Amino acid sequence: AQSVTQPDIHITVSEGASLELRCNYSYGATPYLFWYVQSPGQGLQLLLKYFSGDTLVQGIKGFEAEFKRSQSSFNLRKPSVHWSDAAEYFCAYIFGNEKLTFGTGTRLTIIP
Amino acid sequence: GAVVSQHPSRVICKSGTSVKIECRSLDFQATTMFWYRQFPKQSLMLMATSNEGSKATYEQGVEKDKFLINHASLTLSTLTVTSAHPEDSSFYICSAREGGGTQYFGPGTRLTVL
Repeated sequence: AQSVTQPDIHITVSEGASLELRCNYSYGATPYLFWYVQSPGQGLQLLLKYFSGDTLVQGIKGFEAEFKRSQSSFNLRKPSVHWSDAAEYFCAYIFGNEKLTFGTGTRLTIIP
Repeated sequence: GAVVSQHPSRVICKSGTSVKIECRSLDFQATTMFWYRQFPKQSLMLMATSNEGSKATYEQGVEKDKFLINHASLTLSTLTVTSAHPEDSSFYICSAREGGGTQYFGPGTRLTVL
């Protein structure tokens, strides 16, 4: 069955350090890929998306993600995290007219 | 970017009453809207897909008579939790899909049933 996997349930990073959140998808063809962020008690905010073209995608808040077909991955990166980046991050994909499918999420904690 | 609003953001009600939650796309028209439920520390669970002018499509296991969805216009969908019980307490999030296929999410509604 098609799915998206976020292997890390919880990641702790020091403020100012770099960040990489992993996302792997299993699908025969390339789906549309998304990263969303959810602050506590809030809805989801779209960080970035990949449909086609340039495999390095720039998003809001200084985030970027790289689509790697050979690894079926779409990892989210940020060179220097801020305390305000502490949140839950969801990778998601959609293919054709199917419904948006979410990963289980990765909770990011920032320490001073 | 596209904005989706939800109202109310928080509601507390007594068991047996009905609660209506509104979802609006503020700066785009959405032929399709979605309703999700989220339990603490979990991902979103799709409840139903709502298409403007037609009946909603419910996911397996979601009671259509308990969770009434109406999508009367291209910018408004409503979810009514009928005869709410404590087990219906949850965080409900809507989303709206714009023409390019991206879904934008509302800020969520925290429902507490006493």
